[in-house]
Amino acid sequence: DQQVKQNSPSLSVQEGRISILNCDYTNSMFDYFLWYKKYPAEGPTFLISISSIKDKNEDGRFTVFLNKSAKHLSLHIVPSQPGDSAVYFCAASAGSQGNLIFGKGTKLSVKP
Amino acid sequence: GAVVSQHPSWVICKSGTSVKIECRSLDFQATTMFWYRQFPKQSLMLMATSNEGSKATYEQGVEKDKFLINHASLTLSTLTVTSAHPEDSSFYICSAVPGLAGRLGEQYFGPGTRLTVT
Repeated sequence: DQQVKQNSPSLSVQEGRISILNCDYTNSMFDYFLWYKKYPAEGPTFLISISSIKDKNEDGRFTVFLNKSAKHLSLHIVPSQPGDSAVYFCAASAGSQGNLIFGKGTKLSVKP
Repeated sequence: GAVVSQHPSWVICKSGTSVKIECRSLDFQATTMFWYRQFPKQSLMLMATSNEGSKATYEQGVEKDKFLINHASLTLSTLTVTSAHPEDSSFYICSAVPGLAGRLGEQYFGPGTRLTVT
């Protein structure tokens, strides 16, 4: 049973445009959500997070939106750059002692 | 800050041998470290939670006698794959939670170790 779902395995975007990566979850106990960026043969790099008490968190070109009623979050990258091309993982945890549960990732390709 | 290293970055071993992978938190202490495994085009799957000074907690389906975890200090955890088989070939990634009682969701990841068993 997948608690964190990233239904789009890949996404292709033109440089300068907006990239929107989506993530859905099923566990209503999740209260902390993170996005990681991962290059091949490297460990994930933390990108941005959001607590369930918020519905938006912004950091530079990256914004994460959380819709608790829909159990949905999204990562917006504006403007997209070729260096953003990577696999993006959505992850969630429940409480301070909850482990991270990862989605399967979305491979983003930003074309020049 | 919050740098996690892994050694080796890649290793090739023969079937039946054992391989040790080290995970170190370089600039912080971590009571809790995690070991993940990633197959191609798959998500990161948690294998076990490593707690300093106590036994590791293994996820369902992970053989604790095959994947030995030792969290000897607040900056070092090791994963030993014993009697490795080709199906153990994978990308192993560790992560660490800063602090002595940090939130488990705030993990910093190592660069990963590619294990190939021939």
